[in-house]
Amino acid sequence: GAGVSQSPRYKVAKRGQDVALRCDPISGHVSLFWYQQALGQGPEFLTYFQNEAQLDKSGLPSDRFFAERPEGSVSTLKIQRTQQEDSAVYLCASSSGGGDNSPLHFGNGTRLTVT
Amino acid sequence: QQQVKQSPQSLIVQKGGISIINCAYENTAFDYFPWYQQFPGKGPALLIAIRPDVSEKKEGRFTISFNKSAKQFSLHIMDSQPGDSATYFCAAGPNQGGKLIFGQGTELSVKP
Repeated sequence: GAGVSQSPRYKVAKRGQDVALRCDPISGHVSLFWYQQALGQGPEFLTYFQNEAQLDKSGLPSDRFFAERPEGSVSTLKIQRTQQEDSAVYLCASSSGGGDNSPLHFGNGTRLTVT
Repeated sequence: QQQVKQSPQSLIVQKGGISIINCAYENTAFDYFPWYQQFPGKGPALLIAIRPDVSEKKEGRFTISFNKSAKQFSLHIMDSQPGDSATYFCAAGPNQGGKLIFGQGTELSVKP
């Protein structure tokens, strides 16, 4: 079946612009995560949804970052007034839920470059 | 409390050799320890995972060794192949489908 799909694959933004990154999780997956991966580093947790509820947003680096999943399926990560330090790969992952359901499945990410 | 420390940062191994990557964690509430493999331009893909109730898990050429008292775990890749050349991340979390904390990654290069 289809995996986690992210779009766009690449995004170049001028500093100060707003961007929106999309994630289509695996069908039926309840849990959805956003991670930020800087060059040469491991993924860092940003936020977590269970269905449409955002249960953990402790990793969002500033109030310029906002995520939503209004119908419990597709999710959008929005970054307002982008800064150079926002340049990274943004990874989305989904799972069928906590406990012993399924591991995290990652998409191929969106590479954001802020110039 | 939330950190996962991984070493080495990079590793070069000859074809057929054994690759060993180590990780240490701090949070004793972690109950799930996966290893992910990532190729350039791709997302991380689950390779193998272990729970702390066992000390070792083997899947093909990949083995996780787990030391609960030391809060350490390691990945062994036997008979390493050039196709294994990738970046490997250890991670830890409270359960299989939940939030993971990742290590910094190890870039493995297997020379023919």
